[in-house]
Amino acid sequence: DQQVKQNSPSLSVQEGRISILNCDYTNSMFDYFLWYKKYPAEGPTFLISISSIKDKNEDGRFTVFLNKSAKHLSLHIVPSQPGDSAVYFCAATSEGTYKYIFGTGTRLKVLA
Amino acid sequence: SQTIHQWPATLVQPVGSPLSLECTVEGTSNPNLYWYRQAAGRGLQLLFYSVGIGQISSEVPQNLSASRPQDRQFILSSKKLLLSDSGFYLCAWSLTGRAPDTQYFGPGTRLTVL
Repeated sequence: DQQVKQNSPSLSVQEGRISILNCDYTNSMFDYFLWYKKYPAEGPTFLISISSIKDKNEDGRFTVFLNKSAKHLSLHIVPSQPGDSAVYFCAATSEGTYKYIFGTGTRLKVLA
Repeated sequence: SQTIHQWPATLVQPVGSPLSLECTVEGTSNPNLYWYRQAAGRGLQLLFYSVGIGQISSEVPQNLSASRPQDRQFILSSKKLLLSDSGFYLCAWSLTGRAPDTQYFGPGTRLTVL
């Protein structure tokens, strides 16, 4: 049972435009969500997170939106840069479980 | 600041050989520790996690095992590797006592079983 889903395996965006990566989850107990960026042969790098008490969190070019009723979150990157080309994973966890459930990732390619 | 180390970076092993991957964390005490595997073209699969010395939780039945001999050391082992054990192994840590919080990853170990 895939509790965290990233239904788009890949996405291509022109440099300077907005990249929108989506993530859906099924477990209503999840209350903390994270986005990671991963380059080949490297460990994932933490980008941004959001608690379920919020619906938006912003950090520079990265903004995460959470829609609890739809069990959906998205990561917006504006403006997109070629260095943003990587695989992006969303993850979810809930208080007290210590476990993080990851999606299968979306490969973002930013075209110069 | 906290850092996480993994070694070796790459490993090629024959089927049936043993395995030992090591992970250490610096700059924090009593972290939660995790082992993940990323198979080719797939997401991150949680293998084991530990909330304290000697406390290991297994997520996926397999021929791998984990141990935490010291507070900031996490070891992934196997007595006999299978072809299906090939993948990219990642160690991660998070703060304990505060939940939930950010999880940070090490650089990973690329394991190829031939």
